[in-house]
Amino acid sequence: KQEVTQIPAALSVPEGENLVLNCSFTDSAIYNLQWFRQDPGKGLTSLLLIQSSQREQTSGRLNASLDKSSGRSTLYIAASQPGDSATYLCAVSLEAQKLVFGQGTRLTINP
Amino acid sequence: DVKVTQSSRYLVKRTGEKVFLECVQDMDHENMFWYRQDPGLGLRLIYFSYDVKMKEKGDIPEGYSVSREKKERFSLILESASTNQTSMYLCASSYYGNEQFFGPGTRLTVL
Repeated sequence: KQEVTQIPAALSVPEGENLVLNCSFTDSAIYNLQWFRQDPGKGLTSLLLIQSSQREQTSGRLNASLDKSSGRSTLYIAASQPGDSATYLCAVSLEAQKLVFGQGTRLTINP
Repeated sequence: DVKVTQSSRYLVKRTGEKVFLECVQDMDHENMFWYRQDPGLGLRLIYFSYDVKMKEKGDIPEGYSVSREKKERFSLILESASTNQTSMYLCASSYYGNEQFFGPGTRLTVL
């Protein structure tokens, strides 16, 4: 059974720092991997999608990498801002697009 | 922009009531999904649909049913609501093999 783990569960950093969020998964036979952010009480916002054949994707200050063989992905956030404070979720896609989610990392950026 | 809308942001129902949660997407996506999100348990897939009138069970279908009569609309039905169905319900849609887009969520309380 696929399991997705995100470490740390919570992270607090000062504004302006570059930071890395980690995601690991137990079965490398994934279709793709997706990173989301979730603000308190809200739905999920898609940040980046990496297909299984890709190594990384970039969007603005965000860069996500994928190493399927080791079962790992990282989300790099450059020059963090208070508006980046949210919970970040990683999810891997199995057959028929069924997503398996990690528990998330709650990120706080301190001004 | 992709838009996924859910019929209610907050809903309060009584035990034993029949509850309908509706989700509409405007991007002609084939796939639609219903998840629930609970503290400590993360997001779990209830049901998904890959075409009109087609449905498949997710990880926790017990106590729920779904309906997809039109491509843009996917309904989640709680036949007889129970207190353990108090949760945040999230709908999502996607093209096959691509990223999932989520609605704002419905916070359901069953008294």
